[in-house]
Amino acid sequence: DVVMTQSPLSLPVTLGQPASISCSSSQSLVSSDGNTYLNWFQQRPGQSPRRLIYKVSNRESGVPDRFSGSGSGTDFTLKISRVEPEDVGVYYCMQGTHWPPLTFGGGTKVEIK
Amino acid sequence: EVQLVESGGGLVQPGGSLRLSCAASGFTFSTYSMNWVRQAPGKGLEWVSYITNGGSTTYYADSVKGRFTISRDNAKSSLYLQMNSLRDEDTAVYYCTRDRIMGQWGQGTLVTVSS
Repeated sequence: DVVMTQSPLSLPVTLGQPASISCSSSQSLVSSDGNTYLNWFQQRPGQSPRRLIYKVSNRESGVPDRFSGSGSGTDFTLKISRVEPEDVGVYYCMQGTHWPPLTFGGGTKVEIK
Repeated sequence: EVQLVESGGGLVQPGGSLRLSCAASGFTFSTYSMNWVRQAPGKGLEWVSYITNGGSTTYYADSVKGRFTISRDNAKSSLYLQMNSLRDEDTAVYYCTRDRIMGQWGQGTLVTVSS
């Protein structure tokens, strides 16, 4: 199974400042079809998760452009250019290349300093 | 508007059974694969099971294989999870999600396994 490792576990940030979350996979996520199935999800307190980014860098409709995804192979990053209060929550990466099983990272909790 | 609404959760004793349902609307259900994903209290996300759009192919996490069965009724736009031989560690909020890359999530239904 592909193991997804996120860092940091917790990320205190100042409003208006940037934030960056890392996700690494135990093997390359490049699929035989040429795509890289790495997604990012946001889970606000008390809510269901929602997909922010799919296939590394594609923003979901309605997601603010302060969110961006990048990376390749085994190393990926979610960046928030300027953190807003509504960005508080837990962020998860997930791989859909080598499955089953579909596997998630352990999560990164973003909180305001 | 796409909606996924889970139901069927509740309190069940260890060794018991429960059947979860997910009612889909706002999209052509029969053209999408579906998943169940769970989240234990205070923990992260764990994929549970997957079913193709026609229902012919299913996959399960090792932790539930042989105990859980995923199914769907495309005529009713509904997804199901039959859970048997439930254990304490199955306690979680269960979400249904649309397609392999989980573009849509329901609000979840809480399953508590406890004596």
